Amino acid sequence: GESVGLHLPTLSVQEGDNSIINCAYSNSASDYFIWYKQESGKGPQFIIDIRSNMDKRQGQRVTVLLNKTVKHLSLQIAATQPGDSAVYFCAENLAGGTSYGKLTFGQGTILTVHP
Amino acid sequence: EPEVTQTPSHQVTQMGQEVILRCVPISNHLYFYWYRQILGQKVEFLVSFYNNEISEKSEIFDDQFSVERPDGSNFTLKIRSTKLEDSAMYFCASRISGYTGELFFGEGSRLTVL
Repeated sequence: GESVGLHLPTLSVQEGDNSIINCAYSNSASDYFIWYKQESGKGPQFIIDIRSNMDKRQGQRVTVLLNKTVKHLSLQIAATQPGDSAVYFCAENLAGGTSYGKLTFGQGTILTVHP
Repeated sequence: EPEVTQTPSHQVTQMGQEVILRCVPISNHLYFYWYRQILGQKVEFLVSFYNNEISEKSEIFDDQFSVERPDGSNFTLKIRSTKLEDSAMYFCASRISGYTGELFFGEGSRLTVL
């Protein structure tokens, strides 16, 4: 039968606006968090990461905020552009040993940027 | 810029057939992974591989699945007897050794099982 996908949260913004995408992660033992961008038909593309000993990290036009108290991660994109339109996933990585690279992905948020 | 490459980009197969998906990780990377994404769903971890052996595998990675690094460059995922529910996009990823979890993903291989 036909598979039913997740109904992903969506965010629509105008070009030039700032975007904030939120994510709740599940495991308090996770110590490394990553935001990925996935365009249609492509693999996840690394955007920015943050370790659990930080609460904020900035990149080019992007900022990640981590609130470990409530297990919340956010991605801020400044001056959003049409090329930013994609699905954005947060991912968490459990600490230690062979677990690095074993990512648990969130459900994703569809960002649509209107010119 | 170095990248992870995957072949084929799309494979259609009959249920019960064997499928091999191929990946060429980034050349100086030492840790290799397969993930899959069923249409419209989350990306899910399947297996990690280091030093020619499986490091971790998920509950999805049952006896029908196997991985191999047959030479110095390729990393393969084999599904012995495909089922309808194996239809998905399969992503290979690699990372360099060290204290980093940053993965570089390939473009994916879409598997359709009829």
